[in-house]
Amino acid sequence: SSELTQDPAVSVALGQTVRITCQGDSLRSYYASWYQQKPGQAPVLVIYGKNNRPSGIPDRFSGSSSGNTASLTITGAQAEDEADYYCNSRDSSGNPGFGGGTKLTVL
Amino acid sequence: QVQLQESGPGLVKPSQTLSLTCTVSGGSISSGGYYWSWIRQHPGKGLEWIGYIYYSGSTYYNPSLKSRVTISVDTSKNQFSLKLSSVTAADTAVYYCAREDYEDAYDYWGQGTLVTVSS
Repeated sequence: SSELTQDPAVSVALGQTVRITCQGDSLRSYYASWYQQKPGQAPVLVIYGKNNRPSGIPDRFSGSSSGNTASLTITGAQAEDEADYYCNSRDSSGNPGFGGGTKLTVL
Repeated sequence: QVQLQESGPGLVKPSQTLSLTCTVSGGSISSGGYYWSWIRQHPGKGLEWIGYIYYSGSTYYNPSLKSRVTISVDTSKNQFSLKLSSVTAADTAVYYCAREDYEDAYDYWGQGTLVTVSS
């Protein structure tokens, strides 16, 4: 089982702000990266490091971290943001690992 | 623009070895600075890291799969490969290859390939 814990599902009204969280003791030592996955597609990196966005990722996506919790915030959620979101970091042994994923519904 | 493409059989019989290759274009594996990874996703489930290889050939595997996994690299072909032995139905998944950068981020992914384990 994953050592990174995510809420299975989160919903947000169109245009509102939503925070997706990832909890794990290893997050006190390592940054998380975040991935968006739409049905039938490969994951796409949206946030990495302290709070970095790859080229082409809208600035409504941002990342933060506090204690054992990493967060992905979408400010002004759009319909196209509806997807599964996965966090990734290291586990307590330093092995890469993913959270269980959060299904985001935009209402 | 870096691109990754998985290839290999879509159907493997139980107890046999799953073999996949990832071909990298738009960038050289041997240039260093990146880890070349395999990640899988069981149907309807989350992502599972399998392991990675550096261009030098050094590898690191998921402890839960380590006894069955081998990842190798062929820099002359700009490819890296996955072998997973003694497969069972539990290994049925979409297998992705991906590039991991120095900030532990998977910045490029292949499209994924579904491998079904069935007799």
